[in-house]
Order: sequence, then C-alpha cells, then structure tokens
Amino acid sequence: GESVGLHLPTLSVQEGDNSIINCAYSNSASDYFIWYKQESGKGPQFIIDIRSNMDKRQGQRVTVLLNKTVKHLSLQIAATQPGDSAVYFCAEILDSSYKLIFGSGTRLLVRP
Amino acid sequence: NAGVMQNPRHLVRRRGQEARLRCSPMKGHSHVYWYRQLPEEGLKFMVYLQKENIIDESGMPKERFSAEFPKEGPSILRIQQVVRGDSAAYFCASSPRQEEQFFGPGTRLTVL
Repeated sequence: GESVGLHLPTLSVQEGDNSIINCAYSNSASDYFIWYKQESGKGPQFIIDIRSNMDKRQGQRVTVLLNKTVKHLSLQIAATQPGDSAVYFCAEILDSSYKLIFGSGTRLLVRP
Repeated sequence: NAGVMQNPRHLVRRRGQEARLRCSPMKGHSHVYWYRQLPEEGLKFMVYLQKENIIDESGMPKERFSAEFPKEGPSILRIQQVVRGDSAAYFCASSPRQEEQFFGPGTRLTVL
C-alpha cells in the first residue's frame, strides 16, 4: 500500500502486480506533462509524456492518465519488475514555456 | 549518440571556494538547462541557455551563481564563495528544441 514516510511518500508493491503512482499538478495553464524515473545516483530518465488535449497515453508497460478537471496525473506500471524500483517524478510545463516544474516524487519499492 | 555528459560527478569544496560544473549537451542540441535537486526533493529550475545567450536565469540566485554556454565547449555553472547550503545535486539537461529535455547524470556538490 501507500504510505507517507519521513520524506518521500513510498509505494510498496509485489513483483508482478500493477503500480499506480499519483501526482497533483498546480497550474491549470500547464499543457504538457512528463513522468520521469530517477534511480539512485542518476539523473531523471524520461518515461512517458502527455499533452493537455489528451486524457490517456500508453507506452510499453506504462500508461499515463490526465484528469484536467481535478489537475491530477497518474502513472500506471503493468507487471511491476524489480528494475522499476526508483523515485518517480511528474513534471509539468506551462503553456509556451520550457521550464519543467517537478512534483515532489514518489518512491516505488518492488518486493520480490 | 552519447548522452548528456556532466563532470565532475562528485565535487567537494570548502566554504569560500569556487565550484565549476560542466555540461556537454547531446550532439545537435543547442538548448541547455540547469536544475538543482536537494535530497528527497524534485528538481528546481535554475537557468536556461542557448549558445552564447542566457535566455532565462530566473531560478538562479542573483549572487555568487553564474552560467554560460559558449560557442565552443561545454556549458559551465559557476558558484563562487560556496556555502554549506549550496550542497546539492546539480543536473544539466539539453534539448534540440523546447520541451524534450534529456538529463545528464548530475554533479553532486558537497561543501564542507
């Protein structure tokens, strides 16, 4: 289940289960959203993106859902694997901008 | 095609010294962005540069910090007279155009 630790919220899942990571974004003018995966000691790695004119986009094992009404973004990972263990950040870009505005992150732990 | 390169990967400085962080963008990328990340937090935008131009430095402290992206060579983030609060991971990203930002592995700065 999901819990809030001292710092990053942590989601612990069993290997093979599906994971859902949630993010609330702040600005209704944001029109582009990205999910990044960050492993320990590394830079953020692009996973999937979605534009504001869409509400769902699928990649390989990942799906991003966008609900503009409540300013909510989610990342679904199917058949979670140990290699998926990392911190996941959502990021938004305001209309016609370039600045990535990062959310606070969620740590995903995959139990073998 | 090599990814974004950053060096050094780890940098230790004493209070009052200068720190120079280098970023070589991906081949063909003319946009460079610097972000700072404190432990357990998301990345915070600092500055956006194109070749020989600073486009937006609104996220960079007005004193002691400077950035450049010369016509030849890497982008440099320079921190003068470092203080303990400057300890963080500094990430560089590059893109061929706005939005698609690819991140380097980061430089971890520790100020003693």
